[in-house]
Amino acid sequence: DAGITQSPRHKVTETGTPVTLRCHQTENHRYMYWYRQDPGHGLRLIHYSYGVKDTDKGEVSDGYSVSRSKTEDFLLTLESATSSQTSVYFCANGGQGAAGYTFGSGTRLTVV
Amino acid sequence: DAKTTQPNSMESNEEEPVHLPCNHSTISGTDYIHWYRQLPSQGPEYVIHGLTSNVNNRMASLAIAEDRKSSTLILHRATLRDAAVYYCIRSQGGSEKLVFGKGTKLTVNP
Repeated sequence: DAGITQSPRHKVTETGTPVTLRCHQTENHRYMYWYRQDPGHGLRLIHYSYGVKDTDKGEVSDGYSVSRSKTEDFLLTLESATSSQTSVYFCANGGQGAAGYTFGSGTRLTVV
Repeated sequence: DAKTTQPNSMESNEEEPVHLPCNHSTISGTDYIHWYRQLPSQGPEYVIHGLTSNVNNRMASLAIAEDRKSSTLILHRATLRDAAVYYCIRSQGGSEKLVFGKGTKLTVNP
């Protein structure tokens, strides 16, 4: 059972182009998250959502925007991709205090 | 700021127990302690979490110090498949956000 599906799995894009990554959940979790992972930094929170149309910034939100028009989908958009946004992006859902989070398999984004 | 401290790396031998320490000396009364692990080329995977009492599940045990300033993740019999980066995380009271540190890279020797 794929609770969290990320698409695409891999993407190469050019500097300055917009890019949208999609995260789809099959559960009905209120909370969803986008993280990026870079060597030497671990996972860093970009944005998160606590409900449809309710989102907030994480620690590294500059250059990123998100949208959540449906419970099951959480989109991450790079308005104008830069080489510093080359990373592996993980989506997650769950939480609410005690519950475990489920992470997707990641999207490897390369900006050239 | 992850607010937890873990060793950068640890080694274990296969089929031996592993104790992964975590220090969270500034933890508040409502903060949960979570452990996740990340196998190579995969997303993080939930291992266990707890608040005050020790916890056991099919994957591991979590021993929480009485003052809650530290905890230990216990893998009872390490296997090669347990080689991963293990993250100890405080969920900040009232917040749903998990803030990851750099974790402990566990190497399991055959």
